[in-house]
Amino acid sequence: GDSVTQMEGPVTLSEEAFLTINCTYTATGYPSLFWYVQYPGEGLQLLLKATKADDKGSNKGFEATYRKETTSFHLEKGSVQVSDSAVYFCALRSFSGNTGKLIFGQGTTLQVKP
Amino acid sequence: GAGVSQSPSNKVTEKGKDVELRCDPISGHTALYWYRQSLGQGLEFLIYFQGNSAPDKSGLPSDRFSAERTGGSVSTLTIQRTQQEDSAVYLCASRTRAGSTDTQYFGPGTRLTVL
Repeated sequence: GDSVTQMEGPVTLSEEAFLTINCTYTATGYPSLFWYVQYPGEGLQLLLKATKADDKGSNKGFEATYRKETTSFHLEKGSVQVSDSAVYFCALRSFSGNTGKLIFGQGTTLQVKP
Repeated sequence: GAGVSQSPSNKVTEKGKDVELRCDPISGHTALYWYRQSLGQGLEFLIYFQGNSAPDKSGLPSDRFSAERTGGSVSTLTIQRTQQEDSAVYLCASRTRAGSTDTQYFGPGTRLTVL
């Protein structure tokens, strides 16, 4: 079945460091890919998405490129801030069963220190 | 505009009791999902409603779990005879129907603790 694998956390960085959170997927066909973020005490928010191969999603300085050849959707940011501390979830939109349900990775906790 | 709302935000119950969790989707959104976020299982799909079609219940973990959606809007997730392993955050999400790449918008969740 469809699945998403993320790098395990927690990831601890200093402010202004470069961030990469790896995400790979297994799916039938060409799913849409998403990054969701969960800030402390808040609900899941969509960070960015890409719907087809070679698309780049971007938002708030974060970027991820849909790589069909490597089945990957790695999240990057050039200079993180303390306010980026959160849990990040990679997800794919599954067409299995025609529900469009999201299949999530296990989440990666990012802690940014001043 | 108003987002997805869920109530209660927190629920503590005793093992064996029934609980009901409520979700109010974004107005006009025809698709509604329930997910569960737990330490052991991560984020997992539970059930899907689309308009007046029969729901997809393939993610429900046992027959103690059920859900309904009245009038194509508000949804209630019911857990009967709760067990400690039901402790989790229950998330509701909704999306529009137009197109295949629509974003799912999540509510803040209900944190359920079964003692």
